[in-house]
Amino acid sequence: QVQLQESGPGLVKPSQTLSLTCTVSGGSISSGSYYWSWIRQPAGKGLEWIGRIYTSGSTNYNPSLKSRVTISVDTSKNQFSLKLSSVTAADTAVYYCARDVVATIRNYYYYYMDVWGKGTTVTVSS
Amino acid sequence: EIVLTQSPGTLSLSPGERATLSCRASQSVSSSYLAWYQQKPGQAPRLLIYGASSRATGIPDRFSGSGSGTDFTLTISRLEPEDFAVYYCQQYGSSPKITFGQGTRLEIK
Repeated sequence: QVQLQESGPGLVKPSQTLSLTCTVSGGSISSGSYYWSWIRQPAGKGLEWIGRIYTSGSTNYNPSLKSRVTISVDTSKNQFSLKLSSVTAADTAVYYCARDVVATIRNYYYYYMDVWGKGTTVTVSS
Repeated sequence: EIVLTQSPGTLSLSPGERATLSCRASQSVSSSYLAWYQQKPGQAPRLLIYGASSRATGIPDRFSGSGSGTDFTLTISRLEPEDFAVYYCQQYGSSPKITFGQGTRLEIK
């Protein structure tokens, strides 16, 4: 079955750019009707959606982060990536990637995230 | 922006009891855009319910979802020890903007 794995530096300095990659295994990132999302969770807090990408390259971002976020996809490597610029301590969190399903059932669209990576912790500190 | 408010913040129950978790939206949400997730410490969230009431693959039938409009409920009919966790509701709104509730912690009494 499809599995996701996040990778990237665990420590980023303030004002720099956080860069993470999610590798998809067990299936092609290009197959099916899927978006590919990034979500983060500060320690002890709730989940915040960062943004998502379709394999066509179309993206949607959380308006609160939009000015700092870029999500891209590399179908040849079966990966998608997150860049978050000008980071501060408030960006310290566990970052998850997830498969974002768009399903059509009896003429209704259904949206949900059915496969998640294990998460990677990113700390912003000098 | 649609805000999801979950209640209670913490629910203390014993194994075998019934759990009822609430998720209230600040505006009407399409049922097919509402999902529930379970998260255990140190783990990623796991999809439980999509479309407000459809169980995800492999989810036991003691988990059920219901509701429409602005009020949604996750019910666990008879709590098992492994059910004690944090539960989040999620909605897909326009823009699009995906938002989560703040979570309900289900703890052992």
